[in-house]
Amino acid sequence: ILNVEQSPQSLHVQEGDSTNFTCSFPSSNFYALHWYRWETAKSPEALFVMTLNGDEKKKGRISATLNTKEGYSYLYIKGSQPEDSATYLCAGGFGNEKLTFGTGTRLTIIP
Amino acid sequence: DSGVTQTPKHLITATGQRVTLRCSPRSGDLSVYWYQQSLDQGLQFLIHYYNGEERAKGNILERFSAQQFPDLHSELNLSSLELGDSALYFCASSATGSTDTGELFFGEGSRLTVL
Repeated sequence: ILNVEQSPQSLHVQEGDSTNFTCSFPSSNFYALHWYRWETAKSPEALFVMTLNGDEKKKGRISATLNTKEGYSYLYIKGSQPEDSATYLCAGGFGNEKLTFGTGTRLTIIP
Repeated sequence: DSGVTQTPKHLITATGQRVTLRCSPRSGDLSVYWYQQSLDQGLQFLIHYYNGEERAKGNILERFSAQQFPDLHSELNLSSLELGDSALYFCASSATGSTDTGELFFGEGSRLTVL
Protein backbone atom coordinates (compact mmCIF):
# COMPACT_ATOMS: atom_id res chain seq x y z
CA ILE A 1 0.00 0.00 0.00
CA LEU A 2 1.40 3.36 -1.03
CA ASN A 3 0.50 6.01 1.53
CA VAL A 4 0.78 9.67 0.74
CA GLU A 5 0.28 11.70 3.88
CA GLN A 6 -0.26 15.39 4.38
CA SER A 7 0.06 17.54 7.45
CA PRO A 8 -1.46 19.43 9.00
CA GLN A 9 -5.01 18.44 8.16
CA SER A 10 -6.15 22.04 8.48
CA LEU A 11 -4.56 25.38 9.07
CA HIS A 12 -5.75 28.91 9.85
CA VAL A 13 -3.38 31.69 8.88
CA GLN A 14 -3.65 35.44 9.28
CA GLU A 15 -3.73 37.42 6.04
CA GLY A 16 -0.23 38.56 5.16
CA ASP A 17 1.52 35.76 7.04
CA SER A 18 3.51 33.06 5.28
CA THR A 19 2.84 29.39 5.78
CA ASN A 20 3.93 25.96 4.67
CA PHE A 21 2.71 22.39 4.83
CA THR A 22 4.09 18.94 4.21
CA CYS A 23 3.51 15.96 1.98
CA SER A 24 5.21 12.66 2.88
CA PHE A 25 5.48 9.73 0.52
CA PRO A 26 7.35 6.43 0.13
CA SER A 27 10.73 7.09 -1.47
CA SER A 28 10.90 3.72 -3.23
CA ASN A 29 9.68 3.51 -6.84
CA PHE A 30 9.14 7.25 -6.83
CA TYR A 31 8.42 8.90 -10.17
CA ALA A 32 6.70 12.23 -9.50
CA LEU A 33 5.04 14.43 -6.92
CA HIS A 34 2.08 16.61 -7.84
CA TRP A 35 0.49 19.50 -5.96
CA TYR A 36 -3.09 20.55 -6.64
CA ARG A 37 -5.19 23.40 -5.32
CA TRP A 38 -8.87 22.69 -4.71
CA GLU A 39 -11.23 25.57 -4.03
CA THR A 40 -14.68 24.94 -2.63
CA ALA A 41 -17.27 24.13 -5.30
CA LYS A 42 -14.60 23.90 -7.98
CA SER A 43 -12.37 21.12 -9.28
CA PRO A 44 -8.73 20.54 -8.33
CA GLU A 45 -6.19 22.47 -10.40
CA ALA A 46 -2.56 21.53 -10.84
CA LEU A 47 0.06 23.75 -9.25
CA PHE A 48 3.27 21.80 -9.75
CA VAL A 49 4.63 18.50 -10.96
CA MET A 50 8.11 17.65 -9.68
CA THR A 51 10.26 14.66 -10.46
CA LEU A 52 13.86 15.27 -9.47
CA ASN A 53 15.39 15.33 -6.02
CA GLY A 54 16.01 18.94 -5.07
CA ASP A 55 13.43 20.29 -7.53
CA GLU A 56 12.03 23.66 -6.61
CA LYS A 57 9.09 25.18 -8.42
CA LYS A 58 7.48 28.58 -8.05
CA LYS A 59 4.28 30.18 -9.23
CA GLY A 60 3.75 33.70 -7.93
CA ARG A 61 3.68 33.56 -4.12
CA ILE A 62 3.48 29.77 -4.03
CA SER A 63 6.53 27.53 -4.20
CA ALA A 64 7.33 23.88 -3.58
CA THR A 65 10.38 21.77 -2.88
CA LEU A 66 11.03 18.08 -3.26
CA ASN A 67 13.24 15.63 -1.38
CA THR A 68 12.91 12.21 -2.96
CA LYS A 69 15.56 10.54 -0.79
CA GLU A 70 13.71 11.18 2.43
CA GLY A 71 10.26 11.22 0.84
CA TYR A 72 8.80 14.65 1.46
CA SER A 73 7.72 17.81 -0.28
CA TYR A 74 6.92 21.22 1.17
CA LEU A 75 4.48 23.74 -0.22
CA TYR A 76 5.10 27.35 0.78
CA ILE A 77 2.74 30.31 0.49
CA LYS A 78 4.26 33.73 1.04
CA GLY A 79 2.13 36.65 2.19
CA SER A 80 -1.16 34.73 2.35
CA GLN A 81 -4.20 36.33 0.76
CA PRO A 82 -7.89 35.44 1.22
CA GLU A 83 -7.95 33.91 -2.26
CA ASP A 84 -5.39 31.36 -1.10
CA SER A 85 -8.07 29.70 1.02
CA ALA A 86 -8.45 26.22 -0.44
CA THR A 87 -7.56 22.59 0.12
CA TYR A 88 -4.08 21.74 -1.11
CA LEU A 89 -3.63 18.17 -2.31
CA CYS A 90 -0.45 16.34 -3.05
CA ALA A 91 -0.26 13.15 -5.07
CA GLY A 92 2.53 10.68 -5.70
CA GLY A 93 3.30 8.77 -8.86
CA PHE A 94 5.11 5.48 -8.26
CA GLY A 95 5.32 3.99 -11.72
CA ASN A 96 2.02 2.16 -11.49
CA GLU A 97 -0.02 4.40 -13.78
CA LYS A 98 -2.10 5.91 -11.01
CA LEU A 99 -1.64 8.96 -8.85
CA THR A 100 -2.10 8.35 -5.15
CA PHE A 101 -3.54 11.39 -3.41
CA GLY A 102 -3.16 12.53 0.16
CA THR A 103 -6.20 13.71 2.09
CA GLY A 104 -5.19 17.35 1.75
CA THR A 105 -4.43 20.36 3.92
CA ARG A 106 -7.37 22.73 4.29
CA LEU A 107 -6.05 26.30 4.46
CA THR A 108 -8.19 29.17 5.72
CA ILE A 109 -6.88 32.71 5.52
CA ILE A 110 -8.25 35.01 8.20
CA PRO A 111 -8.69 38.62 6.97
CA ASP B 1 -12.51 25.84 -17.17
CA SER B 2 -10.31 22.74 -17.36
CA GLY B 3 -11.78 21.54 -20.65
CA VAL B 4 -12.94 18.28 -19.06
CA THR B 5 -16.72 17.81 -19.14
CA GLN B 6 -18.60 15.55 -16.78
CA THR B 7 -22.30 14.75 -16.84
CA PRO B 8 -24.53 14.68 -14.95
CA LYS B 9 -23.39 17.17 -12.28
CA HIS B 10 -25.86 15.79 -9.75
CA LEU B 11 -27.69 12.50 -9.60
CA ILE B 12 -30.06 11.16 -6.98
CA THR B 13 -31.12 7.55 -7.20
CA ALA B 14 -32.25 4.63 -5.07
CA THR B 15 -30.40 1.62 -3.75
CA GLY B 16 -30.19 -1.22 -6.19
CA GLN B 17 -30.27 1.03 -9.22
CA ARG B 18 -27.66 1.51 -11.95
CA VAL B 19 -26.21 4.80 -13.18
CA THR B 20 -23.76 5.89 -15.85
CA LEU B 21 -21.42 8.82 -15.42
CA ARG B 22 -19.92 10.34 -18.51
CA CYS B 23 -16.65 12.16 -19.08
CA SER B 24 -15.27 13.98 -22.11
CA PRO B 25 -11.53 14.67 -21.78
CA ARG B 26 -9.73 17.80 -22.93
CA SER B 27 -9.24 17.93 -26.65
CA GLY B 28 -6.19 15.86 -27.53
CA ASP B 29 -5.84 14.13 -24.15
CA LEU B 30 -5.66 10.36 -24.48
CA SER B 31 -5.70 9.47 -20.78
CA VAL B 32 -8.79 9.43 -18.59
CA TYR B 33 -8.81 8.74 -14.86
CA TRP B 34 -11.71 8.20 -12.52
CA TYR B 35 -11.53 9.08 -8.83
CA GLN B 36 -14.07 8.76 -6.03
CA GLN B 37 -14.27 11.16 -3.13
CA SER B 38 -16.40 10.02 -0.24
CA LEU B 39 -17.12 12.04 2.88
CA ASP B 40 -13.96 12.74 4.89
CA GLN B 41 -11.81 10.71 2.54
CA GLY B 42 -9.27 11.75 -0.02
CA LEU B 43 -9.49 11.12 -3.71
CA GLN B 44 -9.54 7.36 -4.22
CA PHE B 45 -8.24 6.13 -7.55
CA LEU B 46 -10.67 3.91 -9.44
CA ILE B 47 -9.35 3.32 -12.95
CA HIS B 48 -7.14 4.74 -15.71
CA TYR B 49 -7.63 4.40 -19.45
CA TYR B 50 -5.23 5.40 -22.17
CA ASN B 51 -6.42 5.58 -25.76
CA GLY B 52 -9.15 3.03 -25.15
CA GLU B 53 -7.04 0.59 -23.18
CA GLU B 54 -7.24 -0.02 -19.44
CA ARG B 55 -3.90 0.95 -17.89
CA ALA B 56 -4.43 0.61 -14.17
CA LYS B 57 -7.12 -0.34 -11.74
CA GLY B 58 -7.52 0.73 -8.15
CA ASN B 59 -9.79 -0.73 -5.49
CA ILE B 60 -12.75 -0.52 -7.83
CA LEU B 61 -15.73 -2.59 -6.78
CA GLU B 62 -16.90 -5.40 -9.05
CA ARG B 63 -20.24 -3.58 -9.28
CA PHE B 64 -18.41 -0.74 -11.01
CA SER B 65 -17.11 -0.84 -14.55
CA ALA B 66 -15.73 1.67 -16.99
CA GLN B 67 -14.71 1.99 -20.59
CA GLN B 68 -13.15 4.50 -22.92
CA PHE B 69 -14.63 4.79 -26.38
CA PRO B 70 -12.89 5.43 -29.74
CA ASP B 71 -13.76 9.12 -29.50
CA LEU B 72 -11.92 9.05 -26.12
CA HIS B 73 -14.90 9.87 -23.94
CA SER B 74 -15.29 7.57 -20.97
CA GLU B 75 -18.17 6.19 -18.98
CA LEU B 76 -18.22 4.88 -15.44
CA ASN B 77 -21.06 2.46 -14.75
CA LEU B 78 -22.17 1.88 -11.19
CA SER B 79 -24.66 -0.91 -10.57
CA SER B 80 -26.56 -2.43 -7.63
CA LEU B 81 -26.02 0.86 -5.88
CA GLU B 82 -25.63 0.98 -2.11
CA LEU B 83 -25.87 3.90 0.28
CA GLY B 84 -22.09 3.86 0.66
CA ASP B 85 -21.65 4.60 -3.04
CA SER B 86 -22.82 8.16 -2.43
CA ALA B 87 -19.81 10.27 -3.33
CA LEU B 88 -18.34 12.83 -5.68
CA TYR B 89 -16.92 11.11 -8.75
CA PHE B 90 -14.21 12.98 -10.60
CA CYS B 91 -12.92 12.38 -14.06
CA ALA B 92 -9.53 13.79 -15.02
CA SER B 93 -7.59 13.75 -18.24
CA SER B 94 -3.94 14.04 -19.10
CA ALA B 95 -1.97 14.56 -22.26
CA THR B 96 0.49 11.83 -21.40
CA GLY B 97 0.08 8.10 -21.08
CA SER B 98 2.01 8.16 -17.84
CA THR B 99 0.10 9.44 -14.87
CA ASP B 100 3.34 10.00 -13.08
CA THR B 101 4.61 13.06 -14.87
CA GLY B 102 1.57 14.49 -16.64
CA GLU B 103 -0.58 16.88 -14.67
CA LEU B 104 -4.23 15.98 -14.40
CA PHE B 105 -7.04 18.25 -15.55
CA PHE B 106 -10.17 17.59 -13.52
CA GLY B 107 -13.80 17.89 -14.46
CA GLU B 108 -16.26 19.46 -12.05
CA GLY B 109 -17.36 16.09 -10.77
CA SER B 110 -20.61 14.15 -10.63
CA ARG B 111 -22.23 14.10 -7.21
CA LEU B 112 -24.10 10.85 -6.69
CA THR B 113 -26.58 10.50 -3.87
CA VAL B 114 -28.03 7.06 -3.21
CA LEU B 115 -31.17 7.04 -1.05
